[in-house]
Amino acid sequence: DAKTTQPNSMESNEEEPVHLPCNHSTISGTDYIHWYRQLPSQGPEYVIHGLTSNVNNRMASLAIAEDRKSSTLILHRATLRDAAVYYCILRVWAGNTGKLIFGQGTTLQVKP
Amino acid sequence: DSGVTQTPKHLITATGQRVTLRCSPRSGDLSVYWYQQSLDQGLQFLIQYYNGEERAKGNILERFSAQQFPDLHSELNLSSLELGDSALYFCASSVAQRGATDTQYFGPGTRLTVL
Repeated sequence: DAKTTQPNSMESNEEEPVHLPCNHSTISGTDYIHWYRQLPSQGPEYVIHGLTSNVNNRMASLAIAEDRKSSTLILHRATLRDAAVYYCILRVWAGNTGKLIFGQGTTLQVKP
Repeated sequence: DSGVTQTPKHLITATGQRVTLRCSPRSGDLSVYWYQQSLDQGLQFLIQYYNGEERAKGNILERFSAQQFPDLHSELNLSSLELGDSALYFCASSVAQRGATDTQYFGPGTRLTVL
């Protein structure tokens, strides 16, 4: 499975945008980029996913580089509730299982 | 609330014992996944079931086993427990058996402490 690299931690101020980077230089053409997050004392939750084009949903935006070797999760206005560990995960289209392979993720701190 | 339920929330037991963790998936979801989260190993995939059949195995020890029942709930059995088995165990469910766009919904987890 292709590997992702994320910074261990980031800080943000409340109500400011946050850009969480992810490098995936060995991504293949059919790998989807997923983001999950894990709030303190909770199970992971789905945030967003994409293949080539930028994606938006009610939680966040996903910006994917043209060469697909990196992507950025964008939280437009961080709130205290967004403090969590954010995981960038690649998923193979042709894989025979739906398992998620989690890395270390980025711990986001949001300051009031 | 993800719609996935797990029981019990907390479990404290002794080394050498056996425990069973239970998971009820979201209504309509056929796939159930089990993950283990420990401080040193992070979140690791253990095993997947789809509609009652085992579909994939990850880093699951031989002392651990799982099954999915006809009503689609799943149980993870951990036996001959060791101190190192202390961890959070998460269950997740999804609609599909596989695929790169299928979303997984996670339960709140069971915290296992082995003394």
